[in-house]
Amino acid sequence: GQQLNQSPQSMFIQEGEDVSMNCTSSSIFNTWLWYKQDPGEGPVLLIALYKAGELTSNGRLTAQFGITRKDSFLNISASIPSDVGIYFCAGPQGGSEKLVFGKGTKLTVNP
Amino acid sequence: DGGITQSPKYLFRKEGQNVTLSCEQNLNHDAMYWYRQDPGQGLRLIYYSQIVNDFQKGDIAEGYSVSREKKESFPLTVTSAQKNPTAFYLCASSIGLGVIYEQYFGPGTRLTVT
Repeated sequence: GQQLNQSPQSMFIQEGEDVSMNCTSSSIFNTWLWYKQDPGEGPVLLIALYKAGELTSNGRLTAQFGITRKDSFLNISASIPSDVGIYFCAGPQGGSEKLVFGKGTKLTVNP
Repeated sequence: DGGITQSPKYLFRKEGQNVTLSCEQNLNHDAMYWYRQDPGQGLRLIYYSQIVNDFQKGDIAEGYSVSREKKESFPLTVTSAQKNPTAFYLCASSIGLGVIYEQYFGPGTRLTVT
């Protein structure tokens, strides 16, 4: 089946630094979704991308839908302690409404 | 406020007992989903339902059962046949139009079976 590979698996950064993470697949996706999960909570949708090449921002977060449609990127600018959590990418499987999820990038921000 | 509620937040059961996890949404969404999350893992789909009185198996349905008698509710039963039931369970919903894939999650239920 389709798989999403996220990198890096974990990141340790200082408050104020910018962060970049990505999600890649060997298959084409028509939609990319980025979620953030705080410890012990459900994932929260951050950004949804529906068009190749699309660049969408949500506050300090910016996500891009790769031109090849096989990857997506999430950037966080000027990180703050509350950015700590696990960031997941997801996309619909084979055009169905089922989503496939990456294994996540765990972000730690040191004050 | 619209949203998804899951109860309880923490659930403890003895091995061999069935247990039912609750999921309710007031977003008027047609589609609902159950996922299982294990430490360091992504989300794995257990069951999903696109319409009332219909549901399909996901990738790891063995040992689980669901029902969808009302649009708002999609309870999950973890049966004694599930070999490793201890996990974090997440319920989600989406509009279900087939072109909008955004799923919205509840706060989760952590199940511990001893």
